[in-house]
Amino acid sequence: DIQMTQSPSSLSASVGDRVTITCRASQGISNSLAWFQQKPGKAPKSLIYDASNLQSGVPSRFSGSGSGTDFNLTISSLQPEDFATYYCQQCNAYPPTFGGGTQVEI
Amino acid sequence: DVHLVESGGGLVEPGRSLRLSCAASGSTFDNFAMHWVRQVPGKGLEWVSGISWNSGHLSYADSVNGRFTISRDNAKNSLYLQMNNLRAEDTAMYYCTQAFRSGSWSPVFASWGQGILVTVSS
Repeated sequence: DIQMTQSPSSLSASVGDRVTITCRASQGISNSLAWFQQKPGKAPKSLIYDASNLQSGVPSRFSGSGSGTDFNLTISSLQPEDFATYYCQQCNAYPPTFGGGTQVEI
Repeated sequence: DVHLVESGGGLVEPGRSLRLSCAASGSTFDNFAMHWVRQVPGKGLEWVSGISWNSGHLSYADSVNGRFTISRDNAKNSLYLQMNNLRAEDTAMYYCTQAFRSGSWSPVFASWGQGILVTVSS
């Protein structure tokens, strides 16, 4: 199975900050990577697919980059509603696997 | 966008069975692969199983292979997960999720249900 490693596991930030979360795959996955946001007690929400494409309705302050084994999710200017846990997921091969999550808190 | 609603969860004793359902509405169901993803409370996400649009592809996580069976009824816009021989470690919130691309088996998830809790305990 492909292992996905996220860093950091948590971070503290303020409204307006630029935040970057990193995800590393244990082997090359081309651009087959997705990002999700999850708030407490809620289902995950799809943010990005194919490493850098925003899902419909996702604000443009979110962006994704990377290819191969190393990927980033960047929030250009953190908003109050962005405080949540973020997960990456490789879509390159079965079984699909998720990173351990990054909790973004104040 | 599709709206997904899970049902069928609850408290069950170890070794017993449970069947989860996921009802889809608001968009085309039968063109898209569907998946189950679970989450132990306070922990991360784990993919459980997936089924292609025509049921031609089925796949399971090693942790549930041989115990869980995924199926779908496109005429009823419904997805199912039959869970047999349940264990304490199957306790989790179970989400159904629809694939992003029509006709594709690639596990890119788009829409998610609100989840249903399964608790396995005596």
